[in-house]
Amino acid sequence: AQSVSQHNHHVILSEAASLELGCNYSYGGTVNLFWYVQYPGQHLQLLLKYFSGDPLVKGIKGFEAEFIKSKFSFNLRKPSVQWSDTAEYFCAVPVSGGYNKLIFGAGTRLAVHP
Amino acid sequence: DVKVTQSSRYLVKRTGEKVFLECVQDMDHENMFWYRQDPGLGLRLIYFSYDVKMKEKGDIPEGYSVSREKKERFSLILESASTNQTSMYLCASSASGAVSYEQYFGPGTRLTVT
Repeated sequence: AQSVSQHNHHVILSEAASLELGCNYSYGGTVNLFWYVQYPGQHLQLLLKYFSGDPLVKGIKGFEAEFIKSKFSFNLRKPSVQWSDTAEYFCAVPVSGGYNKLIFGAGTRLAVHP
Repeated sequence: DVKVTQSSRYLVKRTGEKVFLECVQDMDHENMFWYRQDPGLGLRLIYFSYDVKMKEKGDIPEGYSVSREKKERFSLILESASTNQTSMYLCASSASGAVSYEQYFGPGTRLTVT
């Protein structure tokens, strides 16, 4: 069965620190990968996505993620976090079988202190 | 801009009550999804629908049913609410197509069953 693992459930950083959130997946088909973010009190929204091509993907608000096929990983990075990055982050991959279903990781809660 | 709306942000119900959660999307999307979000468990798919009157079970359908009578509306029904159904419920929609895995989410309904 397909799965998505996010290694860190809670991360606490100070402003200007660098961020890397881990995501590993098991998937046998074409790889499409997503990171979603949920800011406090807001709806879940797409941060970035990978479909093909350059394995380094840039998203909104200075986030980027690198697809490393050999490691089945799609880690999220940001060189310098801000207090406004406090949120919960979810990695997701499509489920085989159609209908655009996604399977989500357990999420990582990021708290950035000023 | 895709908009997914949910009927209530907060809901408090008693054990045994029948509960209706409604979701409406305005982008003519074929696919609609209901998830529940619990701390440490991420998003788990309850049911999804790929067309009017068509529905499929997700990973945790027990205790829930759904209805899709119109393309834009997808309802989640808790036949007899129980305390273990206290959770955040998220609705999402997406367009059909090979590359359109992106899902658009509503703001969520936080349901408390007492």
